[in-house]
Amino acid sequence: DTEVTQTPKHLVMGMTNKKSLKCEQHMGHRAMYWYKQKAKKPPELMFVYSYEKLSINESVPSRFSPECPNSSLLNLHLHALQPEDSALYLCASSQDRRQALVGGELFFGEGSRLTVL
Amino acid sequence: AQKVTQAQTEISVVEKEDVTLDCVYETRDTTYYLFWYKQPPSGELVFLIRRNSFDEQNEISGRYSWNFQKSTSSFNFTITASQVVDSAVYFCALSESVPTGANSKLTFGKGITLSVRP
Repeated sequence: DTEVTQTPKHLVMGMTNKKSLKCEQHMGHRAMYWYKQKAKKPPELMFVYSYEKLSINESVPSRFSPECPNSSLLNLHLHALQPEDSALYLCASSQDRRQALVGGELFFGEGSRLTVL
Repeated sequence: AQKVTQAQTEISVVEKEDVTLDCVYETRDTTYYLFWYKQPPSGELVFLIRRNSFDEQNEISGRYSWNFQKSTSSFNFTITASQVVDSAVYFCALSESVPTGANSKLTFGKGITLSVRP
């Protein structure tokens, strides 16, 4: 079983809806990530949080709004999405550079499969 | 810029065959990390191995083995005596050194879909 838990597993929303994806880990990791994965494509990095602060935003549209309320939780708030935003959204965590000097492996959740109608 | 090339897109083998998944990378960093991840139909990405740029020792873990060669910038993955449960998409990835904050910004290859037939 994965140690990174994502909810919901499936989400269908209209273009005017507001919804949120949630991610939780209890491994003491201080770096958390959102990736987006389209069918038959590799994951693409969206955001990175380090010690609850946003450290990387890969020019993601503002209709995606990340939030890291504490070291264990990571949310992705969704508003006014487009059908092309339909994808698998993967959360991951790792040790941060300040926790470990070596490059840490990312632990991924099972993902939230989003469909925008 | 960093780049990971997985030239094979789909591989189909019969159970018990050996199969090698190729990965070639490009980076200007002298310190970097290479990874292999497995993505079964359930969707999660399962970590298989990490190798740092200073450690060229090959590694074997059960039926899995990895061959890292800096001279050819390759990090190939071999599954011996493949099983149906090995059917998945396999991603090779390269981590970019980030000066501050989180230390694992991964660049993924396009992935290889492996199908193992009974």
